[in-house]
Amino acid sequence: DAGVIQSPRHEVTEMGQEVTLRCKPISGHNSLFWYRQTMMRGLELLIYFNNNVPIDDSGMPEDRFSAKMPNASFSTLKIQPSEPRDSAVYFCASSRDSSKSQPQHFGDGTRLSIL
Amino acid sequence: ILNVEQSPQSLHVQEGDSTNFTCSFPSSNFYALHWYRWETAKSPEALFVMTLNGDEKKKGRISATLNTKEGYSYLYIKGSQPEDSATYLCASRMSGSEKLVFGKGMKLTVNP
Repeated sequence: DAGVIQSPRHEVTEMGQEVTLRCKPISGHNSLFWYRQTMMRGLELLIYFNNNVPIDDSGMPEDRFSAKMPNASFSTLKIQPSEPRDSAVYFCASSRDSSKSQPQHFGDGTRLSIL
Repeated sequence: ILNVEQSPQSLHVQEGDSTNFTCSFPSSNFYALHWYRWETAKSPEALFVMTLNGDEKKKGRISATLNTKEGYSYLYIKGSQPEDSATYLCASRMSGSEKLVFGKGMKLTVNP
């Protein structure tokens, strides 16, 4: 079975540019999570969706960050304009059933560097 | 504010040693406690999801216990091997939300 697929694996861009991170969850999973991992703060939840609907976006840092899930098999996290402090590893995860205690399955992450 | 704390932050042991580490979390509105194993340059992989007070789970040489009344979980590794070297993360989930709050992790290094 294919796991959670994220693209790109690495992104290096200059500050001010728009950055789009992509995620394909595991087929049949109805919850999708975006995390940011930094040395200082560890793994932090940015936003999560259930059945394509955003449920909790309280972790989104500011208006420069936005996330969408247009269908069950695709989600994007966009940063516009990007800043050097956005440099981090961004993970996407999915899980099967929100009503039960299911583990989350993580993608390989996108390592983002903003110069 | 939901704070999840892990201790120790790092641990160096010799091959064959047994290890244990602690995850503490707020006990109010508790729903589930997750343990993940995170190898360098890979993504976190689920080890256990625990929900009931007194729960004990085991996978090979790794086991975990849960105390929801006092808000802690222990992870044990029996007879550590070099391939056990990784960061071990715990995360707590409160009732009414799917949000996981992660601890900072415990980095284990097992020397051959």
